[in-house]
Amino acid sequence: AQSVTQPDIHITVSEGASLELRCNYSYGATPYLFWYVQSPGQGLQLLLKYFSGDTLVQGIKGFEAEFKRSQSSFNLRKPSVHWSDAAEYFCAVGVPSGTYKYIFGTGTRLKVLA
Amino acid sequence: EAGVAQSPRYKIIEKRQSVAFWCNPISGHATLYWYQQILGQGPKLLIQFQNNGVVDDSQLPKDRFSAERLKGVDSTLKIQPAKLEDSAVYLCASSPRAGSEAFFGQGTRLTVV
Repeated sequence: AQSVTQPDIHITVSEGASLELRCNYSYGATPYLFWYVQSPGQGLQLLLKYFSGDTLVQGIKGFEAEFKRSQSSFNLRKPSVHWSDAAEYFCAVGVPSGTYKYIFGTGTRLKVLA
Repeated sequence: EAGVAQSPRYKIIEKRQSVAFWCNPISGHATLYWYQQILGQGPKLLIQFQNNGVVDDSQLPKDRFSAERLKGVDSTLKIQPAKLEDSAVYLCASSPRAGSEAFFGQGTRLTVV
């Protein structure tokens, strides 16, 4: 069965430090991959997506992610974190299901220290 | 472009009562999803519609949950009767086509007391 694992439940970084959030997926073929961010009381906002092609994808707010097929990973990175990046981050895999469905990881809550 | 609209934003009910949530997807989006997000967890798919037909409802607790999508546009999700464990945020999302990303509404936070 398809699944997404985000091994870090909480991460704390200082403002200006670099960030990497981990995501591993389980799927038989090359999936479509997504990172979403959720601020308190809000819905999910798409940060970036990978469908095919270049394995390093750029997203909004200065985020990027790298797809590594050999490791079944799609880690999210940002070179310099801002206080406003504090939120919960979800990795998701898109799989064919009739049309399409999205399976989410359990999320990583990011705290940013001033 | 207007986003996915959901109402109400918040709802508090007693257990065994019924409740309904409404979702208006982005215009032209054929696929509509309802997700349940329990505190501290990722969103879990409850039901997926393609136009007004159900594609996947394998994780919908059908003894108490029901959903419909009228004329392939708006959708309602109903819980009857509610249980304490139904306390969660219910997220509606839509997608224009297979392989595109999903666009989410702000969600409805349900508290069952």
